[in-house]
Amino acid sequence: DTAVSQTPKYLVTQMGNDKSIKCEQNLGHDTMYWYKQDSKKFLKIMFSYNNKELIINETVPNRFSPKSPDKAHLNLHINSLELGDSAVYFCASSQDGISYEQYFGPGTRLTVT
Amino acid sequence: AQRVTQPEKLLSVFKGAPVELKCNYSYSGSPELFWYVQYSRQRLQLLLRHISRESIKGFTADLNKGETSFHLKKPFAQEEDSAMYYCALLHGSGNTGKLIFGQGTTLQVKP
Repeated sequence: DTAVSQTPKYLVTQMGNDKSIKCEQNLGHDTMYWYKQDSKKFLKIMFSYNNKELIINETVPNRFSPKSPDKAHLNLHINSLELGDSAVYFCASSQDGISYEQYFGPGTRLTVT
Repeated sequence: AQRVTQPEKLLSVFKGAPVELKCNYSYSGSPELFWYVQYSRQRLQLLLRHISRESIKGFTADLNKGETSFHLKKPFAQEEDSAMYYCALLHGSGNTGKLIFGQGTTLQVKP
């Protein structure tokens, strides 16, 4: 009965590699988000999609590319990983028009060595 | 520019003591503010929104436009209140709305 799920939970990789994080929600929501939480626990939005369409695209390096194959999935692909990409990445979703009430996934801890 | 500031990284109180988690914001329009909470091993979730003016788990928060603050208060802290608390501001509306979070405050309630 998991509402928003992310895989993997932990990801350890080397600099320069390309990796993907997957997110799925079974709440029937139309909008999905990616957030980055840095080492100081600061939580910042990266992207949002509504019904597979990119809505919010914050100032994020273009090494980060979100992909939404359908409205229940929003994946995050990261190219040429750098040390500074190490963080916890959270996926979230919300109902149409109710962007303030977001349902978060458990997070993916990415460590780049 | 829109910004949310939570000045305390950690707030430690004893059980039964009053709690006030501080939040200040900077926003040019009419602000909509929220508190989110993340308990240990649980997901980040919405705790309350200023518009509803309700009390959730004994917590209340009043929007003070003069002081641009939205502090979270509880008269008597419980150990189960220990968690990470984020203040958030909604920028935009509808499907283009986005939440701008503060830095978060860890509340530790000691027995």
